[in-house]
Amino acid sequence: AQSVAQPEDQVNVAEGNPLTVKCTYSVSGNPYLFWYVQYPNRGLQFLLKYITGDNLVKGSYGFEAEFNKSQTSFHLKKPSALVSDSALYFCAVRGDMNYGGSQGNLIFGKGTKLSVKP
Amino acid sequence: GAGVSQSPSNKVTEKGKDVELRCDPISGHTALYWYRQSLGQGLEFLIYFQGNSAPDKSGLPSDRFSAERTGGSVSTLTIQRTQQEDSAVYLCASSRAQGAKSKNIQYFGAGTRLSVL
Repeated sequence: AQSVAQPEDQVNVAEGNPLTVKCTYSVSGNPYLFWYVQYPNRGLQFLLKYITGDNLVKGSYGFEAEFNKSQTSFHLKKPSALVSDSALYFCAVRGDMNYGGSQGNLIFGKGTKLSVKP
Repeated sequence: GAGVSQSPSNKVTEKGKDVELRCDPISGHTALYWYRQSLGQGLEFLIYFQGNSAPDKSGLPSDRFSAERTGGSVSTLTIQRTQQEDSAVYLCASSRAQGAKSKNIQYFGAGTRLSVL
C-alpha cells in the first residue's frame, strides 16, 4: 500500500532560523513526490516536486526538499524562515503506474502546521 | 479561467438534504480530481476524471456520493442524504493529462466548506 507520513503535527521555528518539515513515504516503484502549502481558507498551492534527477529540488518561496531513497524521505527545508511561511504543509506521493500505482491521484500526509515566530 | 474555481465557497445544510458542489477546472486541463479535507484527517481522494475515460471512483466513501463531469470540463459532486460526518472541505484539482510518464502538477481550488447540521 502507498502511504505518506508526516511525523510532526506542528513545527515551531523562530524567524530567520532554518526550518525542516519531515516527510517519509512508502510506495512501489519510483515515487513522484510533492509538497503543497495551504494558507487559511485557501486551497493548496504547489511548492515543488521530485520525479527524477538531482536529489535536491528547489521550489517556490525559497523552499527546497531533499529526496533520500535509502531513508524513503523527502524533507522540506528552508535556510531562513519568515513569519509569512506560517501555514499548513502537505507532503504527497503519486504512485508509479508501471508498478500498479494509482492512476494519478495524490496520496497526502496529514499535514504539518508550521509556525514561525518573530 | 486563471485557476480552478469552486462554488459555493461555503454551504450549510440540514442532515438528510442533498447538496451539489461545483468545480470549474483550468481551461485545457483534461484531468479533474475531488478530495475531501476533514479536520485532523488530511486530504482524502474521492474521485478522478481523465478525459472521456471512465472515472476512478475508488475513493468515494459511500453510494451517497457521486460525481459527474459534463463536456469534459465542469464537474459536480453530489452528496445525497447528507450526514454530519460529511462535514468537511471539499477540494477540486485539475491537471493536464496524467499518464505513466506524466509529471504534471495538480492545481487546487479554494474548496467548498460543507457544514451539515
